[in-house]
Amino acid sequence: SAVISQKPSRDICQRGTSLTIQCQVDSQVTMMFWYRQQPGQSLTLIATANQGSEATYESGFVIDKFPISRPNLTFSTLTVSNMSPEDSSIYLCSATARGAGETQYFGPGTRLLVL
Amino acid sequence: QQQVKQSPQSLIVQKGGISIINCAYENTAFDYFPWYQQFPGKGPALLIAIRPDVSEKKEGRFTISFNKSAKQFSLHIMDSQPGDSATYFCAASLEGNTPLVFGKGTRLSVIA
Repeated sequence: SAVISQKPSRDICQRGTSLTIQCQVDSQVTMMFWYRQQPGQSLTLIATANQGSEATYESGFVIDKFPISRPNLTFSTLTVSNMSPEDSSIYLCSATARGAGETQYFGPGTRLLVL
Repeated sequence: QQQVKQSPQSLIVQKGGISIINCAYENTAFDYFPWYQQFPGKGPALLIAIRPDVSEKKEGRFTISFNKSAKQFSLHIMDSQPGDSATYFCAASLEGNTPLVFGKGTRLSVIA
């Protein structure tokens, strides 16, 4: 299994600023993903974080707005840039662990409110 | 295009009753079908998962039924308890460690 931690757990930000969310996994993982979850809604994939190369973004999400880094196997960051109130959401990191097949584990999420 | 359709949106069940949540998918290339449970303020946690070569999988009070020809799968929670009150998401993914596509979720309330 894998235990995923995220920092910060929540934040309130002013529009036009940027926030970087950190994701740390406690074991070797194969894949890491970033999802967004609007309050009371489902999860939408933002991108797949690739180690040592550019992330793979889903339709509707772009690197300039959501730059992602993954410098090693167990750590990734997501930056929400030039924030607007529409970016208020829960951002979730997930990962698949070596030896655990396709099981995706999720972090507790980062709750972002943009004023 | 919503690739995984989930129903109902909300469900109220008496304690001890059976909770049933249904999902339908469109992409026949999907190869892995998990169910996640999410409590308020927490990330989703894997509950149970199935692959299309099996028609049913049971883990404790939780059972997945899978109908490949109908492209449908469902979660049954037997002897539902108030502690089961949460939001449940079905999901699907392609073969290998690919991202999950989620249904819209079902908010389950189990009342005493």
